[in-house]
Amino acid sequence: AQKITQTQPGMFVQEKEAVTLDCTYDTSDQSYGLFWYKQPSSGEMIFLIYQGSYDEQNATEGRYSLNFQKARKSANLVISASQLGDSAMYFCAMREGQAAGNKLTFGGGTRVLVKP
Amino acid sequence: DSGVTQTPKHLITATGQRVTLRCSPRSGDLSVYWYQQSLDQGLQFLIQYYNGEERAKGNILERFSAQQFPDLHSELNLSSLELGDSALYFCASSVAGISGNTIYFGEGSWLTVV
Repeated sequence: AQKITQTQPGMFVQEKEAVTLDCTYDTSDQSYGLFWYKQPSSGEMIFLIYQGSYDEQNATEGRYSLNFQKARKSANLVISASQLGDSAMYFCAMREGQAAGNKLTFGGGTRVLVKP
Repeated sequence: DSGVTQTPKHLITATGQRVTLRCSPRSGDLSVYWYQQSLDQGLQFLIQYYNGEERAKGNILERFSAQQFPDLHSELNLSSLELGDSALYFCASSVAGISGNTIYFGEGSWLTVV
């Protein structure tokens, strides 16, 4: 079974609008972390935002916010006021506990194209 | 700049050859992870080291090996290279533990096997 599922392979968004990228996860651990990364066409993997499973508040980092719904096992990324530079692949990832080696498991990614 | 340094950035080599990819983690980070990103497999975890010791192993081929040195830098050795090994190889680092810590990636090493 997929541990991280990103159901949107690609999407267009109008500049200055908000966009929500979906991510659902599957784990039996109580302690885990959820991450979002941005990968522009140049290839580097840029950390955007982190949410711990015990964090009660949704994480926010500038224009990025994570809509964490623990019961639904979803961790959607919201990008507000989209900019042309937001065009990239976006990956959701999960880190489970020490038994899993603290490694990240990635979803398949969502490609975002911001239109002017 | 994530603080994770990978070299070389680009590498072209022939089938059957051996290459070494190098990674310097962020200052203070004890854990190093290696990932492979290919078009058909996506992002695959290869191996993790913590303070010099292997901590977790993923989908790493027997032709591949890695180590983490006392100064915490890590090397990924790829041998008997095949065309299918062409990929973007990432190194990432983190402080050990899960609570509140994140994992930062280097810029990756593009490997092309011809």
